[in-house]
Amino acid sequence: SAVISQKPSRDICQRGTSLTIQCQVDSQVTMMFWYRQQPGQSLTLIATANQGSEATYESGFVIDKFPISRPNLTFSTLTVSNMSPEDSSIYLCSVERLGLGRNEQFFGPGTRLTVL
Amino acid sequence: SQQGEEDPQALSIQEGENATMNCSYKTSINNLQWYRQNSGRGLVHLILIRSNEREKHSGRLRVTLDTSKKSSSLLITASRAADTASYFCATAVPNFGNEKLTFGTGTRLTIIP
Repeated sequence: SAVISQKPSRDICQRGTSLTIQCQVDSQVTMMFWYRQQPGQSLTLIATANQGSEATYESGFVIDKFPISRPNLTFSTLTVSNMSPEDSSIYLCSVERLGLGRNEQFFGPGTRLTVL
Repeated sequence: SQQGEEDPQALSIQEGENATMNCSYKTSINNLQWYRQNSGRGLVHLILIRSNEREKHSGRLRVTLDTSKKSSSLLITASRAADTASYFCATAVPNFGNEKLTFGTGTRLTIIP
């Protein structure tokens, strides 16, 4: 398994500001993913972050709103820009661990964001 | 639209009973995975079943997959209070040489001591 940490674990932010969430993995991984989980909802993939290339965004998500960095194989950041109350969610990063013909994803503990 | 729809949305059972959750999906998949989430925290991977498998066991967990009906079920036997959590199915589909996970709507399971 992979050990994943996220910072901050939670934050309360004002409308119009930006927050950068960090995701650190204890081993090198190729694929890192960022998800959003709105209150009481399931997870929605925001983007896939590959080291050395631009992130690939899912439909409905754009780089200007959710810029992502992936400077190396163990670290990534997601910024939630110009926040509004609709951005209040749990944001989770995950990594894909390949092996034995199985593709599992391991998730970080999440960042609970509240926008006032 | 959601790839995975789960039912029931919520389930409450007595400790010791078995809990069954169902997941339906719409497209062909590489595999289907089940995850558990405790109180809005990170997800924990429970079990993966490949598209050519029909049943898989892991401890008190039993997963079935019916690709003809595009459905899966998760059975937790002899439930415990610690099993109280939300359970999500996730379907893995090919995505530019990798796989993309799409999560279902989730089932909120409550085990009553």
